[in-house]
Amino acid sequence: SQKIEQNSEALNIQEGKTATLTCNYTNYSPAYLQWYRQDPGRGPVFLLLIRENEKEKRKERLKVTFDTTLKQSLFHITASQPADSATYLCALDLGRGYNKLIFGAGTRLAVHP
Amino acid sequence: KAGVTQTPRYLIKTRGQQVTLSCSPISGHRSVSWYQQTPGQGLQFLFEYFSETQRNKGNFPGRFSGRQFSNSRSEMNVSTLELGDSALYLCASSSNSGTKGNEQFFGPGTRLTVL
Repeated sequence: SQKIEQNSEALNIQEGKTATLTCNYTNYSPAYLQWYRQDPGRGPVFLLLIRENEKEKRKERLKVTFDTTLKQSLFHITASQPADSATYLCALDLGRGYNKLIFGAGTRLAVHP
Repeated sequence: KAGVTQTPRYLIKTRGQQVTLSCSPISGHRSVSWYQQTPGQGLQFLFEYFSETQRNKGNFPGRFSGRQFSNSRSEMNVSTLELGDSALYLCASSSNSGTKGNEQFFGPGTRLTVL
């Protein structure tokens, strides 16, 4: 069956450390993988997109890796801050010519001062 | 540029009623997608419209329907509401057709409660 799994329901880390979130998928062949941030009561906000032929993408303190052999993406936030506390969602885009995203359940990140 | 707007923000209905939710995409965006978000199932794709045509539909019953107007604004309708339809309904717009992978801009959602 097709599945997307994100690591643990909640991740607690200390301010200044690197947060690493995992997204594993089964029986999908995404052309793109996206990461979104969602705060309580709000819609998701786009963070990064990585293509199937890209290994790594960076944007400021964010880094995403994509391993199509392992069927896994890792999302890193370096020098984390309490303001980074939110739920992070990975989403698969199968690239079939329409805008449909398949979301994981999300990982809730809490950064403690 | 104004973001994606959704109306109403909150809605309370009773079982058996029907509801219409509205979404105005970012100006210039022709693609509008709808998602349902619940604590148990997470974010699930309902359908996507591009230039007034439904291009794809998720695995939801026929009670869920939608449409898109010539100005790209979109509505979704749920008929014969069930308790399980209580959820946050999110609309997202995108600037292109989806062939090259692109970010989606989400609205704040409509919180629907079915009693």
